[in-house]
Amino acid sequence: SAVISQKPSRDICQRGTSLTIQCQVDSQVTMMFWYRQQPGQSLTLIATANQGSEATYESGFVIDKFPISRPNLTFSTLTVSNMSPEDSSIYLCSILTGWANIQYFGAGTRLSVL
Amino acid sequence: QQQVKQSPQSLIVQKGGISIINCAYENTAFDYFPWYQQFPGKGPALLIAIRPDVSEKKEGRFTISFNKSAKQFSLHIMDSQPGDSATYFCAASPGGFKTIFGAGTRLFVKA
Repeated sequence: SAVISQKPSRDICQRGTSLTIQCQVDSQVTMMFWYRQQPGQSLTLIATANQGSEATYESGFVIDKFPISRPNLTFSTLTVSNMSPEDSSIYLCSILTGWANIQYFGAGTRLSVL
Repeated sequence: QQQVKQSPQSLIVQKGGISIINCAYENTAFDYFPWYQQFPGKGPALLIAIRPDVSEKKEGRFTISFNKSAKQFSLHIMDSQPGDSATYFCAASPGGFKTIFGAGTRLFVKA
């Protein structure tokens, strides 16, 4: 299995500011994903980030609000821009790996926006 | 058509009992059906998964039953233990990409 490290694990931010979440994987992977999980809710895919190409965003998510970088095969960042209290959520990094396309998740970043 | 419907929303089971969580899907392009277990403060972890060419898969106390014609699949946890108390998500994807998650089931196993 892969080890996925996310930083920060939690943060409390002020309205209007931005937060960048880092995701580091212990092996090279082609496909990385960013999910949002609101408290007590299911996971919603924000975007797919492949190295060397622009991230692909799901309906309801835009690059200006959630810019993503994928500089290499082991690292990605998600920025939550111009935050509002509605952005309070858990943000999860995920990878797809192995011949069976198994999906692994990081522990998540718990974001509270005041 | 992209939804995966999961029930029940919450479940309380006595220690040693059987926990059963059900899911249904519509998209026939889905060909990979994983179940994830999530403990508070942790990310989801793959528990067990099945592909539609088999009707059942068992790993220890965890069994997936799959009914392709009905587009339904379920997770059975035998001999449920307090340590199994967690949120369980069923999911589905076409080829393992763009996984769609169910709403989740909060399982509580009473000691």
